[in-house]
Amino acid sequence: SQQGEEDPQALSIQEGENATMNCSYKTSINNLQWYRQNSGRGLVHLILIRSNEREKHSGRLRVTLDTSKKSSSLLITASRAADTASYFCATDGGGGADGLTFGKGTHLIIQP
Amino acid sequence: ETGVTQSPTHLIKTRGQQVTLRCSSQSGHNTVSWYQQALGQGPQFIFQYYREEENGRGNFPPRFSGLQFPNYSSELNVNALELDDSALYLCASSLASLTEAFFGQGTRLTVV
Repeated sequence: SQQGEEDPQALSIQEGENATMNCSYKTSINNLQWYRQNSGRGLVHLILIRSNEREKHSGRLRVTLDTSKKSSSLLITASRAADTASYFCATDGGGGADGLTFGKGTHLIIQP
Repeated sequence: ETGVTQSPTHLIKTRGQQVTLRCSSQSGHNTVSWYQQALGQGPQFIFQYYREEENGRGNFPPRFSGLQFPNYSSELNVNALELDDSALYLCASSLASLTEAFFGQGTRLTVV
């Protein structure tokens, strides 16, 4: 079963615009990670935010975490055609050895 | 490039057969996890190995088994293949279970 839910399921924007994706989860976590996947290939790690952090930046990426609402958001600023991909949030479920729990992802399309 | 390599990249098997998928972890990583990703879904955790011992397992039957070797490379074995086993199988390595996981490009398994 999948713990997380990304929202929206699909998003299409113009190049240069900002893209925001949301993730909700159900259980307590140690950290939350965001990944990108191009065309059904391997997952690329984007950013990890720990449960005691509220916001984190990496280049054009900004991630927020609200543990009280069990939600996170990923903002990609100044989008590029190369950002077209599926984006997944993943939580660790608190136990570490339980692996990562992924949502179904948001499919982002950047229109040139 | 994450330094995690998987082989083969594609594989076609017949229902009832057995398959072995291989993964070479990123240098220095002692934890490896395997995931199954069906089309249009997020990855689902199969199991995790730490220092050659399975220390976590998802909701997968015993016909899914694995090994981790002293050099931290790993295998995923699936016996008695079923049509529903058709999926992208992803291997991820990490330094510990609560740190960033780095994924390989995956093995696309088709069961006919």
